[in-house]
Amino acid sequence: DAKTTQPPSMDCAEGRAANLPCNHSTISGNEYVYWYRQIHSQGPQYIIHGLKNNETNEMASLIITEDRKSSTLILPHATLRDTAVYYCIVLSDRGSTLGRLYFGRGTQLTVWP
Amino acid sequence: IAGITQAPTSQILAAGRRMTLRCTQDMRHNAMYWYRQDLGLGLRLIHYSNTAGTTGKGEVPDGYSVSRANTDDFPLTLASAVPSQTSVYFCASSDRTSGKYNEQFFGPGTRLTVL
Repeated sequence: DAKTTQPPSMDCAEGRAANLPCNHSTISGNEYVYWYRQIHSQGPQYIIHGLKNNETNEMASLIITEDRKSSTLILPHATLRDTAVYYCIVLSDRGSTLGRLYFGRGTQLTVWP
Repeated sequence: IAGITQAPTSQILAAGRRMTLRCTQDMRHNAMYWYRQDLGLGLRLIHYSNTAGTTGKGEVPDGYSVSRANTDDFPLTLASAVPSQTSVYFCASSDRTSGKYNEQFFGPGTRLTVL
């Protein structure tokens, strides 16, 4: 599976958009980009995923560049409860590695009042 | 029960003792997973099970064993605990039948300290 690179930390003012980048330059054609987050002392939580088109759900938006080598997770109106570690994971939807998430170190997002 | 439960919430264990961490889900998910998380690191996969009756090794399986006798339960056993197994353990599940293999639901975790 492709490796990902994320900044170790970011911060954002409450009510503003939080844009979390992820580089995945070695992504292959059948690999999706997944985002999870982990609020302190809790289990990780699935946020969103996409293949090549932009995706939006009730939690966030995912923007994937046309060459698929990078993506950005957007929390449109960050709240204090969005303070968490955000993980970008690249994973195929088929094959022997199915379901085997590799989390890495992620980005610590701190939302301040 | 709603989602995934884990027991115990925390445990202090003497080195050399046997310990089983319990995980139960009520979502009828066919796939289940065990991860460990160490301070400052991301989660690492220990073992997984794609369906009842089958298990597989993840990234860091040594010193751990699992079983999957039914759909709902996926216990993790440390046969002889060592201090390096001090960690927070998370259980997760996903629904392979709907194609949502990689959308995993996580339990609240078990904090294990081996002295």
